[in-house]
Amino acid sequence: GAVVSQHPSRVICKSGTSVKIECRSLDFQATTMFWYRQFPKQSLMLMATSNEGSKATYEQGVEKDKFLINHASLTLSTLTVTSAHPEDSSFYICSASYRLSNQPQHFGDGTRLSIL
Amino acid sequence: EDKVVQSPLSLVVHEGDTVTLNCSYEVTNFRSLLWYKQEKKAPTFLFMLTSSGIEKKSGRLSSILDKKELFSILNITATQTGDSAVYLCMKTSYDKVIFGPGTSLSVIP
Repeated sequence: GAVVSQHPSRVICKSGTSVKIECRSLDFQATTMFWYRQFPKQSLMLMATSNEGSKATYEQGVEKDKFLINHASLTLSTLTVTSAHPEDSSFYICSASYRLSNQPQHFGDGTRLSIL
Repeated sequence: EDKVVQSPLSLVVHEGDTVTLNCSYEVTNFRSLLWYKQEKKAPTFLFMLTSSGIEKKSGRLSSILDKKELFSILNITATQTGDSAVYLCMKTSYDKVIFGPGTSLSVIP
């Protein structure tokens, strides 16, 4: 069964709306969570890495004020797309692991965000 | 620049064929290399490789890592239509993860 739950699976909203996406690890303590963005027929692009209780580390070119990440507990991280615009429409996927690189990441099912 | 390269980018085979997917990477701060299968939604984990020369197997799939030549291969034998997917190679280092562009595999009956 799924070890990482992502919600919602699909969001359609108007331009200017802020959208929050949740990522939960279901049966393990996710010390590290990752947020990815995926455009059609392209690979996953890492947006940011968050460690529980500390600020997220954003990849170059990703606006931290636009994509707010909170990782307040070992089982929950949230990504908030603030004042979303049509160009923010994409597939967002989270993943979680116990440690950065000696355990495989487990992915959520993704969120399809469509901004009208 | 730290990057992961996969080849081929797309591949069409007939059921029963054997395929080999390639992944090469930069050596910077290497920790592990992982293979994932992505169908319609999120990637599902296949293999994690940290040591050279040790083949990992799961049914018809197998993978091996060559840390000297900086590449990994994913083999799928006796392919089935259910193997159709994008196969992603991911490299982890001490401070980041990088995905390759993926290989889109289509298995036709």
